[in-house]
Amino acid sequence: QKEVEQNSGPLSVPEGAIASLNCTYSDRGSQSFFWYRQYSGKSPELIMSIYSNGDKEDGRFTAQLNKASQYVSLLIRDSQPSDSATYLCASSGAGSYQLTFGKGTKLSVIP
Amino acid sequence: GAGVSQSPSNKVTEKGKDVELRCDPISGHTALYWYRQSLGQGLEFLIYFQGNSAPDKSGLPSDRFSAERTGGSVSTLTIQRTQQEDSAVYLCASSTGTGDLKLFFGSGTQLSVL
Repeated sequence: QKEVEQNSGPLSVPEGAIASLNCTYSDRGSQSFFWYRQYSGKSPELIMSIYSNGDKEDGRFTAQLNKASQYVSLLIRDSQPSDSATYLCASSGAGSYQLTFGKGTKLSVIP
Repeated sequence: GAGVSQSPSNKVTEKGKDVELRCDPISGHTALYWYRQSLGQGLEFLIYFQGNSAPDKSGLPSDRFSAERTGGSVSTLTIQRTQQEDSAVYLCASSTGTGDLKLFFGSGTQLSVL
């Protein structure tokens, strides 16, 4: 059973701080990793994808991948109240079209 | 269209009734997915369509669930003889095609079975 695990939170950070969201996955063959943001009552929205070990930066967001340790993380710098949402981690194996999603971590940025 | 469109946005039905949920993917997207999200749960894969290939139905929870995609575009998810445990948000997503896992989700259909 392929699993993606996330701390459900809530994770509370003050405005302007760095929010760190973590995710582990069980399938060592996983190749593609994604972070989705889901506001309450809304559908998931893709914010980052990462395929290689290391860091990938996009604006205030940095995704980090460590395949040896089977974890993925998302850092949000200069957190804003508008970042308050549930963040879903997802992974997929080589050649697979199915994404396995974690249950998400709820982030709350306190003004 | 500009995004993935789903209808209805909300559906309340009585136990035992059949329901149909509709999804219109982004124009040009050949891959279409249905997921289900129950309260406090992760997204559960239901079914995948890619072009004219046979769909992957491996995620459908029972034979009461079926889906079709006409003309490689619009998809309909049908749930027969609905049960209370079917209550969830049903999300449709599309992507440009094989190998592209960047999914764009619709706003979902909130299904409530009384």
